[in-house]
Amino acid sequence: GESVGLHLPTLSVQEGDNSIINCAYSNSASDYFIWYKQESGKGPQFIIDIRSNMDKRQGQRVTVLLNKTVKHLSLQIAATQPGDSAVYFCAENMSGTYKYIFGTGTRLKVLA
Amino acid sequence: KAGVTQTPRYLIKTRGQQVTLSCSPISGHRSVSWYQQTPGQGLQFLFEYFSETQRNKGNFPGRFSGRQFSNSRSEMNVSTLELGDSALYLCASSSGGATNEQFFGPGTRLTVL
Repeated sequence: GESVGLHLPTLSVQEGDNSIINCAYSNSASDYFIWYKQESGKGPQFIIDIRSNMDKRQGQRVTVLLNKTVKHLSLQIAATQPGDSAVYFCAENMSGTYKYIFGTGTRLKVLA
Repeated sequence: KAGVTQTPRYLIKTRGQQVTLSCSPISGHRSVSWYQQTPGQGLQFLFEYFSETQRNKGNFPGRFSGRQFSNSRSEMNVSTLELGDSALYLCASSSGGATNEQFFGPGTRLTVL
C-alpha cells in the first residue's frame, strides 16, 4: 500500500489494551477538532469530532479529550483491535476559515 | 449514500506537463476541499470551494488551481509539473457550514517523472 508517512511517531499496543494518541494543535482560536484514521491506500476516515465548548466526547470505543489551556487533544481507543492499526491524524479548524490544519500523524500498531 | 469519489485513482506524468484531477462530493454537500499529502509534509490544505466560490486557499504556488461547478463537482489543475508535486491528492466534502464534518475520498496518486 501507499506510505502515509515514513517517519511518523509510532505507538505499539497489545491487542485488548487501551490506546492513547496525543496531538498538540497550533491555533488557540481553533474551535472545532476532528480525529481521522487513515489506512494504507485509503483516504482519511472520520472517527470523532469535538467542539471547543466541550472537553470530552465519547463514541463507540473512542473518546476524545480537549484541553484548551495547553492546546492538547487526545484520542483514547478502548480494547484496541488489529483493525485499529492505521495512522491517526488530528485536524483543527477555526470557524469561518473553511480550512483544516492537520497534525503530523501517529502510526498505531496493534500487536497480537 | 455514495461517498466522495475521485478520478483518476492513479496518474503518471512527466515534468512540465499539466494535470487535472476530479472530485465528486457526497450528494447534498456543497463544500469541497483539496489537500496534498506527502510523507515529508503530511496533509496540507490547498483550497476550499463552496457554491463555485473559493473561500480559502493554502500556501501553494499559482501552478495549483481549482474550480467548482454548479453541481458541486470540483476539479484541481496543476500546471508545469515538478518532481516535488508527486503526492496523494485528497478531496474532502462537507455540507459547508463554518465547522462541519469533512469526508474524504480515496485520493488520486500522482507520480511525476
